[in-house]
Amino acid sequence: DAKTTQPTSMDCAEGRAANLPCNHSTISGNEYVYWYRQIHSQGPQYIIHGLKNNETNEMASLIITEDRKSSTLILPHATLRDTAVYYCIVRADLNSGGSNYKLTFGKGTLLTVNP
Amino acid sequence: GAGVSQSPRYKVAKRGQDVALRCDPISGHVSLFWYQQALGQGPEFLTYFQNEAQLDKSGLPSDRFFAERPEGSVSTLKIQRTQQEDSAVYLCASSFQENTEAFFGQGTRLTVV
Repeated sequence: DAKTTQPTSMDCAEGRAANLPCNHSTISGNEYVYWYRQIHSQGPQYIIHGLKNNETNEMASLIITEDRKSSTLILPHATLRDTAVYYCIVRADLNSGGSNYKLTFGKGTLLTVNP
Repeated sequence: GAGVSQSPRYKVAKRGQDVALRCDPISGHVSLFWYQQALGQGPEFLTYFQNEAQLDKSGLPSDRFFAERPEGSVSTLKIQRTQQEDSAVYLCASSFQENTEAFFGQGTRLTVV
């Protein structure tokens, strides 16, 4: 799986949008971008994933650049409960073979939402 | 419950002791995964089951680690002769299929003293 690069930490004011960047310059055509987050003392929680189109769900939006070498996770109105480590992961799709079931976590970005 | 359940939540073991960590996946989920998370690090893959079949155990750090899922539901991760370096949070996750959204439990924090 392609390697991802994320900032170690970020701060955001409560109520403002949090924009978390991720670089995945070696991503290949069949690899999806996944985002998980891990709140302190809990297991990771799935947020969103996408291939090349922008995606939105009730938790967040995912913006993927046209060349797919980077993406941004957007939390539109951050709350204190969004303080967590956010992991950007690339993973191949089911039909590409190999061990695409694995999630390869890096160290992620610690997002701190401040009151 | 609706989520992945792991027990115990905390385990303190003396070095050399054997431990068994339990995972109850979401009902109907075919795929089950174990991950190990050291302090300050992201989770690292240990092993993967599809129903009762262990399809990948490449992440198990040594032959002291053993996982099973005999009836394709509950899984147990066993660590024999625990060492201090085994201290970590052990996370279990399940998913409906192997590449769909994975749901994680809260983990078991193992401390070897």
